[in-house]
Amino acid sequence: AQTVTQSQPEMSVQEAETVTLSCTYDTSESDYYLFWYKQPPSRQMILVIRQEAYKQQNATENRFSVNFQKAAKSFSLKISDSQLGDAAMYFCAYGTQGAQKLVFGQGTRLTINP
Amino acid sequence: KAGVTQTPRYLIKTRGQQVTLSCSPISGHRSVSWYQQTPGQGLQFLFEYFSETQRNKGNFPGRFSGRQFSNSRSEMNVSTLELGDSALYLCASSFSGMDEKLFFGSGTQLSVL
Repeated sequence: AQTVTQSQPEMSVQEAETVTLSCTYDTSESDYYLFWYKQPPSRQMILVIRQEAYKQQNATENRFSVNFQKAAKSFSLKISDSQLGDAAMYFCAYGTQGAQKLVFGQGTRLTINP
Repeated sequence: KAGVTQTPRYLIKTRGQQVTLSCSPISGHRSVSWYQQTPGQGLQFLFEYFSETQRNKGNFPGRFSGRQFSNSRSEMNVSTLELGDSALYLCASSFSGMDEKLFFGSGTQLSVL
């Protein structure tokens, strides 16, 4: 079974600084998807960034980028120029097209200090 | 375009009762998935429906069931509620499934007393 591990229950960063959230996963599949979701106090899960495993190029979305290391099964999220609105729970997730479901990590609570 | 709508936002039930939660996906989306979120177990997949058919099911007891209507709206039902069923239930929709982005609703917070 696939598993996703986020080893940092909590992280904090100063506003405007850069922070990296870690995620590792375990799978025997070769074709899959990886995601970072943000869950603010409103509880709605918001997609931050998405990576297809067959793509070697790391995904980026504005201030958000990932470091995808397929051999090491590592998928970290870098947030640059942190803003107060980035404060939330961040979840790393794994999915395969055939399974049509996501496997989530336990989450990392990110605090932004003004 | 309206987002994923879940009703009700909050629900309080007692043990042994049953409950029905509703999810209206984004217009045009045909895949609806349900997830349970608890502090202890985190986010766990319940089931996924596509064009009124259950395509995938998570590892939950038979007390948890769902269905999807022809307009893609989905309901999930939990019968014989247990204290451990207290959780945030999240619904997500996409056009066809995993190769599309999933859009989540704000969830239904269920408390079982």
